[in-house]
Amino acid sequence: DAKTTQPPSMDCAEGRAANLPCNHSTISGNEYVYWYRQIHSQGPQYIIHGLKNNETNEMASLIITEDRKSSTLILPHATLRDTAVYYCIVRSNFGNEKLTFGTGTRLTIIP
Amino acid sequence: AAGVIQSPRHLIKEKRETATLKCYPIPRHDTVYWYQQGPGQDPQFLISFYEKMQSDKGSIPDRFSAQQFSDYHSELNMSSLELGDSALYFCASSLGRVSYEQYFGPGTRLTVT
Repeated sequence: DAKTTQPPSMDCAEGRAANLPCNHSTISGNEYVYWYRQIHSQGPQYIIHGLKNNETNEMASLIITEDRKSSTLILPHATLRDTAVYYCIVRSNFGNEKLTFGTGTRLTIIP
Repeated sequence: AAGVIQSPRHLIKEKRETATLKCYPIPRHDTVYWYQQGPGQDPQFLISFYEKMQSDKGSIPDRFSAQQFSDYHSELNMSSLELGDSALYFCASSLGRVSYEQYFGPGTRLTVT
């Protein structure tokens, strides 16, 4: 799986949009970009994934650049409950592949 | 909705003892993954099973073994425990060979003294 690079930490004011960047310059054509988050020692939680088009669900939006070398996770209206470590993971969707967690971004939502 | 169940939630063992962690996947899920998360570290993949067969193996010590049973639940057996085995152990499950989401359980916190 391709490696990813994320900033180690970020702050965001409550109610504002949180934009979390991720670089994955070695991503291959069949690999998807996944985002998971982990709230203080709980099990990681799936947020969203995408291949090359922008994606949106009830939790977040995912913007993938045209060359697919980077992406941004957007939490539109951050709340205190969004404080967590956010992991950007690149993986194929076939063969029940494992998740390879990097160091992630520790997002702190400030009241 | 049913989630992944792990038991026990907390476990305290002494060095050189054995431990068994159990994972009950979401109903109809056929794939189980085990991850280990040491203190202050990120989750690391240990092993996975698809349809009761081992499908992938990560940095799992030889002292550890795991299997998936006919009802799809899985057990992680850990022998000759060491202090460094103290960690959170997460189980995740997914459905099918083309799996998008892995659903994680709440984890088992193992403390080795």
